[in-house]
Amino acid sequence: AQKITQTQPGMFVQEKEAVTLDCTYDTSDPSYGLFWYKQPSSGEMIFLIYQGSYDQQNATEGRYSLNFQKARKSANLVISASQLGDSAMYFCAMRAMDSNYQLIWGAGTKLIIKP
Amino acid sequence: GAGVSQSPSNKVTEKGKDVELRCDPISGHTALYWYRQSLGQGLEFLIYFQGNSAPDKSGLPSDRFSAERTGGSVSTLTIQRTQQEDSAVYLCASSWPSDGVIHDTQYFGPGTRLTVL
Repeated sequence: AQKITQTQPGMFVQEKEAVTLDCTYDTSDPSYGLFWYKQPSSGEMIFLIYQGSYDQQNATEGRYSLNFQKARKSANLVISASQLGDSAMYFCAMRAMDSNYQLIWGAGTKLIIKP
Repeated sequence: GAGVSQSPSNKVTEKGKDVELRCDPISGHTALYWYRQSLGQGLEFLIYFQGNSAPDKSGLPSDRFSAERTGGSVSTLTIQRTQQEDSAVYLCASSWPSDGVIHDTQYFGPGTRLTVL
């Protein structure tokens, strides 16, 4: 069965430091995609970054990068130079070939950036 | 362009009443999803529409829940005879017409916070 695990329920990070949010996944499909979303206190889910299982390079989007370690089945989100506005819930999600359109979601990590 | 919109943003209702939640997807998106998010939890899939195909209702928790999508655009999620356990944030998402594509990215609305007293 497909599963996403986020082991950090909460994290405190000093402003301007880099932060790594952990995500491990489990699937037997060779073709899958991994997504990270940010959910601020306003409640809206904001798409951050995508990594495909066949992508040769780790995905990057501005201050966000994905540390994709396929053999370990991990897809950690790295936020460089954290800002106060990065405080939010962060969700990792996966879509695999046999789940078609359905995203499998992790439980989330609550990130708080300290000034 | 405009993002996914949902209304109302907040809804307080009494147990046993029916409620309707509305979702207006991004123009041109043919796929539409409804999710439920209980306090401090991840997302629970409810229902999926893709174009004119029959919707996938496999995530609906009971027959009190139903949804429709008129004209391939706006969707309404209806909860009949609401219960206190229905209290949650209901999120709608839409995506480009890429049925089954792994990298299909869903874009979310702001959600409707439902409170059943």
